[in-house]
Amino acid sequence: GAGVSQSPSNKVTEKGKDVELRCDPISGHTALYWYRQSLGQGLEFLIYFQGNSAPDKSGLPSDRFSAERTGGSVSTLTIQRTQQEDSAVYLCASSPMWDRDFNEQFFGPGTRLTVL
Amino acid sequence: DAKTTQPTSMDCAEGRAANLPCNHSTISGNEYVYWYRQIHSQGPQYIIHGLKNNETNEMASLIITEDRKSSTLILPHATLRDTAVYYCISRSGGYNKLIFGAGTRLAVHP
Repeated sequence: GAGVSQSPSNKVTEKGKDVELRCDPISGHTALYWYRQSLGQGLEFLIYFQGNSAPDKSGLPSDRFSAERTGGSVSTLTIQRTQQEDSAVYLCASSPMWDRDFNEQFFGPGTRLTVL
Repeated sequence: DAKTTQPTSMDCAEGRAANLPCNHSTISGNEYVYWYRQIHSQGPQYIIHGLKNNETNEMASLIITEDRKSSTLILPHATLRDTAVYYCISRSGGYNKLIFGAGTRLAVHP
């Protein structure tokens, strides 16, 4: 079956522009996560959705970052007024249900964002 | 969630067992140990998880010490395709977010 997909795969933008990154989770997965990975670094959690609600936004680095999820499916991560330090690979993951004990997250291939 | 520490890098010969250690000395009783790996230019991939008992699946085995302060991921017959960064993560109940550390960069060589 289809895995998590993300678009675009690569995005180059100029400093100060807004960008939107899209994530299509695995069908039926209620939980959706956004992470980012700067060059040579580990993954950094950004935000978690359960359905259309985001109970944990603690990882969003500034108010320039926002995310939404509609219909319990597709999610969009928006970065306003991009800065060079926003350059990173943005990864989306989904998991089938909220389970406090077991949590296999299925990751997409990521969107590589470059801010010039 | 407990902090985990792992060696920065390890080498392994193809066909041999790769044993990747992880220390989680502050782990609490309800925290699971998860292992993920990230092959270059791909998203992370789940490998295995456990609470206190040793676990085995088609990819790997997980050995957890009796005091739960450390664990070892074992790839029984490493192949070149197992070259990746391996992340050991401990997580308690509640939110589903994963806190990734720096991981261990495993290089499997012929």
